[in-house]
Amino acid sequence: EAGVAQSPRYKIIEKRQSVAFWCNPISGHATLYWYQQILGQGPKLLIQFQNNGVVDDSQLPKDRFSAERLKGVDSTLKIQPAKLEDSAVYLCASSGVTGTQYFGPGTRLTVL
Amino acid sequence: GENVGLHLPTLSVQEGDNSIINCAYSNSASDYFIWYKQESGKGPQFIIDIRSNMDKRQGQRVTVLLNKTVKHLSLQIAATQPGDSAVYFCAENIQGGSEKLVFGKGTKLTVNP
Repeated sequence: EAGVAQSPRYKIIEKRQSVAFWCNPISGHATLYWYQQILGQGPKLLIQFQNNGVVDDSQLPKDRFSAERLKGVDSTLKIQPAKLEDSAVYLCASSGVTGTQYFGPGTRLTVL
Repeated sequence: GENVGLHLPTLSVQEGDNSIINCAYSNSASDYFIWYKQESGKGPQFIIDIRSNMDKRQGQRVTVLLNKTVKHLSLQIAATQPGDSAVYFCAENIQGGSEKLVFGKGTKLTVNP
């Protein structure tokens, strides 16, 4: 069974630029999550989707971050404009009927 | 408030020894706990989970213990191997199932050959 796929793996941008990350969850997983992991810390949930609907986006900085999962499968997370403090690893996870979350390899974002 | 993962930030053990990684949580409403392993440059990898109606669960070389009285969670790794070197996170889920996970800061385990 293929795991959660993410791209790109690395991205370097300058502040005020925009960036987008892509996630393809495990086949059949209805729930998809985006996390932000700052160096030395545990992942922090940004947004949770159930199929193509948002379940929880309470910790998403909505003035600059947006996410969508239009067809209930793949998802994109966008940052516009990026700030220095957005430098982090962005992790995508998915879960199925058991509720166990499985993570992708992450995208390491560096904002200069 | 959310306060998962009070712990020693690093743990160093000899190969073959048993490792114990501890985690404290503060939310008494949490009913589901998970341990993840994260190797450098990779995403967190599920190790083992436990629900609040249990106090112990065993997997392959790993055991998770839950003490709800003192809100403490531990991960025991038997016969630790170099491949076990990683950062270990505990996470709690307040609502059960695929709900919001709150992660601690993690413990970096180093296994010395």
